[in-house]
Amino acid sequence: DAKTTQPPSMDCAEGRAANLPCNHSTISGNEYVYWYRQIHSQGPQYIIHGLKNNETNEMASLIITEDRKSSTLILPHATLRDTAVYYCIVRAYGQGGKLIFGQGTELSVKP
Amino acid sequence: NAGVTQTPKFQVLKTGQSMTLQCAQDMNHEYMSWYRQDPGMGLRLIHYSVGAGITDQGEVPNGYNVSRSTTEDFPLRLLSAAPSQTSVYFCASRQTGTYNEQFFGPGTRLTVL
Repeated sequence: DAKTTQPPSMDCAEGRAANLPCNHSTISGNEYVYWYRQIHSQGPQYIIHGLKNNETNEMASLIITEDRKSSTLILPHATLRDTAVYYCIVRAYGQGGKLIFGQGTELSVKP
Repeated sequence: NAGVTQTPKFQVLKTGQSMTLQCAQDMNHEYMSWYRQDPGMGLRLIHYSVGAGITDQGEVPNGYNVSRSTTEDFPLRLLSAAPSQTSVYFCASRQTGTYNEQFFGPGTRLTVL
């Protein structure tokens, strides 16, 4: 399974864009990049996923480098409610396609 | 839809006691899984199931049993609780298909004394 590396913590001012990086240099050609977040004490919440093209939904944008070795999750206008731990996950192979969570990035959005 | 539900929300056990954590989903998802989360750590996969009657081990299966007799339910059993099993437990489900998102339940906070 490809491993991911994320900074342990980041700060962002409310209303500004939050850019969360993730390194996945050993990703295989047909493995997807997923992002989940976990707001304090709650179950993780799916945000977005992608293979090689940039993706956007109502929550965030995902930018994947051309060599696919890294990606960036962008929250365009961060709010206090976006304070959470953000997990970058490369989709594990095997029966059931289980998700392997790393340590994630703790994002603090400050007023 | 209620989504993924878990009961109980909180539980305190004594060492050696047994109990079952309940998980149910009403989205007709075939894939279900159990994770545990210890303080300051990410989630670790305990067991998962790709459909009724089929289960498999995850990263940390020791001390836990599962069964899947229906599509809706995926209970997690602790046969003889140990303090090392003090954790928050999350259940998740998703549709079959390799790249579909997972839906997580609200969690069960378990303390073993």
